[in-house]
Amino acid sequence: SQQGEEDPQALSIQEGENATMNCSYKTSINNLQWYRQNSGRGLVHLILIRSNEREKHSGRLRVTLDTSKKSSSLLITASRAADTASYFCATVFYGNNRLAFGKGNQVVVIP
Amino acid sequence: ETGVTQSPTHLIKTRGQQVTLRCSSQSGHNTVSWYQQALGQGPQFIFQYYREEENGRGNFPPRFSGLQFPNYSSELNVNALELDDSALYLCASSSGNQMNTEAFFGQGTRLTVV
Repeated sequence: SQQGEEDPQALSIQEGENATMNCSYKTSINNLQWYRQNSGRGLVHLILIRSNEREKHSGRLRVTLDTSKKSSSLLITASRAADTASYFCATVFYGNNRLAFGKGNQVVVIP
Repeated sequence: ETGVTQSPTHLIKTRGQQVTLRCSSQSGHNTVSWYQQALGQGPQFIFQYYREEENGRGNFPPRFSGLQFPNYSSELNVNALELDDSALYLCASSSGNQMNTEAFFGQGTRLTVV
């Protein structure tokens, strides 16, 4: 499959802890994007990282990309109950116009 | 709030019927992509419309069709509904015909086929 695959798929942590999710893919990418989805509603864009970038930050979020290992990670620091959601990585391949999503990570932050 | 609105939010249809879902794109965007998300799965790409033309299609049968209007809003039509078409349908608004920038998603239409 060319889609991103997240690992782990379910994560339960205490508020204040960090949450790390990984995503792997099989084909060279143009960029990789992370999205959040609350309770089966619309997806919210978190971070886009391009193939020539290695790390990006946005607030409490940190995304890394290792193109040699074809993997990415999303770190949420100092988690909050409001971070409870499903997190998806989506890859975009060169010359392609679509987001290829993985199955998602379900994260539960316990207050 | 992304500025992308989808209607209706929920819909129940009978097998064999036809359905039309609607999506308004964000101001300044000329591309709308449609995705199907089955329960517990990631979204799957159906097709993309760029400047009123279909610009790529996923692995969906021809009974899934679409339109994009001059104001860049879009419709997804599904004919001869099957039970497996029950899913959350998401539209994404973006700029340009390559996914080089972030996409803004609507809240989705939950379709149930009985």
